[in-house]
Amino acid sequence: AQSVAQPEDQVNVAEGNPLTVKCTYSVSGNPYLFWYVQYPNRGLQFLLKYITGDNLVKGSYGFEAEFNKSQTSFHLKKPSALVSDSALYFCAVRDPKRDDKIIFGKGTRLHILP
Amino acid sequence: DAGVIQSPRHEVTEMGQEVTLRCKPISGHDYLFWYRQTMMRGLELLIYFNNNVPIDDSGMPEDRFSAKMPNASFSTLKIQPSEPRDSAVYFCASSKTRQGSSYFGPGTRLTVT
Repeated sequence: AQSVAQPEDQVNVAEGNPLTVKCTYSVSGNPYLFWYVQYPNRGLQFLLKYITGDNLVKGSYGFEAEFNKSQTSFHLKKPSALVSDSALYFCAVRDPKRDDKIIFGKGTRLHILP
Repeated sequence: DAGVIQSPRHEVTEMGQEVTLRCKPISGHDYLFWYRQTMMRGLELLIYFNNNVPIDDSGMPEDRFSAKMPNASFSTLKIQPSEPRDSAVYFCASSKTRQGSSYFGPGTRLTVT
């Protein structure tokens, strides 16, 4: 079965510094990969996705993620963090060869320190 | 489009009562997902539909939980009887295609006392 892991419960970054939120996955075939963000008392919002093609994917709010097949990773990155980036971030995977289920990681809480 | 609509936004009920959560997906979206979010277990997929047909309900915790999608614009998640451990935020999400991103509703915060 497909699975996704976010090894860090929380990440603290100073404003203006680059940030990375880690994600690794396990699927039997080529994955569809997603990042979502959740602000307090809100539903999840889509940030970006990888389906095929260029390994570097750019998304909303200046975020990007790099698909690395050999390391089975899809880390979320941003060159310069903003305080408003503070939120809960979820990585998700779908195995198109298996079914249409989207499995989410446990989430990583990102704190941007002013 | 108004996005995914969920009702009610908050529900407080007593143990043993029936609870019905409602969802209206985005028009034209073929997939609908029900998730449950708790601090302890994170975001869990309960069930999903494709073209109104339930495809996988393996995440439904018990027979007390049931979900229906009578048409393309409406789905319900019912808990009968409810228990305190069902307290959580329940999200509905829809997507247009297999490759598409999911759009989440605002969630229903359920408290069972």
